[in-house]
Amino acid sequence: NAGVMQNPRHLVRRRGQEARLRCSPMKGHSHVYWYRQLPEEGLKFMVYLQKENIIDESGMPKERFSAEFPKEGPSILRIQQVVRGDSAAYFCASSPDDRVDGYTFGSGTRLTVV
Amino acid sequence: QKEVEQDPGPLSVPEGAIVSLNCTYSNSAFQYFMWYRQYSRKGPELLMYTYSSGNKEDGRFTAQVDKSSKYISLFIRDSQPSDSATYLCAMGEDTGRRALTFGSGTRLQVQP
Repeated sequence: NAGVMQNPRHLVRRRGQEARLRCSPMKGHSHVYWYRQLPEEGLKFMVYLQKENIIDESGMPKERFSAEFPKEGPSILRIQQVVRGDSAAYFCASSPDDRVDGYTFGSGTRLTVV
Repeated sequence: QKEVEQDPGPLSVPEGAIVSLNCTYSNSAFQYFMWYRQYSRKGPELLMYTYSSGNKEDGRFTAQVDKSSKYISLFIRDSQPSDSATYLCAMGEDTGRRALTFGSGTRLQVQP
């Protein structure tokens, strides 16, 4: 029973490029959450999605960031025109329902913008 | 002021010691309280979960919530070198919102 799979594990992008981060939830999980972790800081909520729906995007920056969770395939977090301040670890979590104690986190994607 | 405050440490203790980790918070809407353990370069894993006030024990771990003081604690008894990790407190509202608010984490080192 595979856990939450995130890829790539490490991603290097030059300023101005696009970054696409993928998250495959655990089998049977239809709720996906994205969090960002800056160095020496805790995780910050970005977005909560269910299949084909964005439920809460209150933590997403207004520009350049978008997320989707299509009917088929992984959830994607997309960052356009990356800047150095986007360098962080991005974690995805999934849960089988909307209980807050049901999260399982992936190992994260570490984005470095050079 | 951050919604959740957590001492970053690092906290270094000898093997077998009792460890006390704490968080304070300011949001009265928080009703769900969790402790996560995060090893280096890994995702957080849930250790303890408490709803509202009270204590909860699981093996060597005890979680306490004092809502009147807006203060939560995690105690680790008989600490082991394998407990060396960063411990994150996390809180959620009972308002239908499913986002968690995390503390910045306390780095713990248990010396053999």
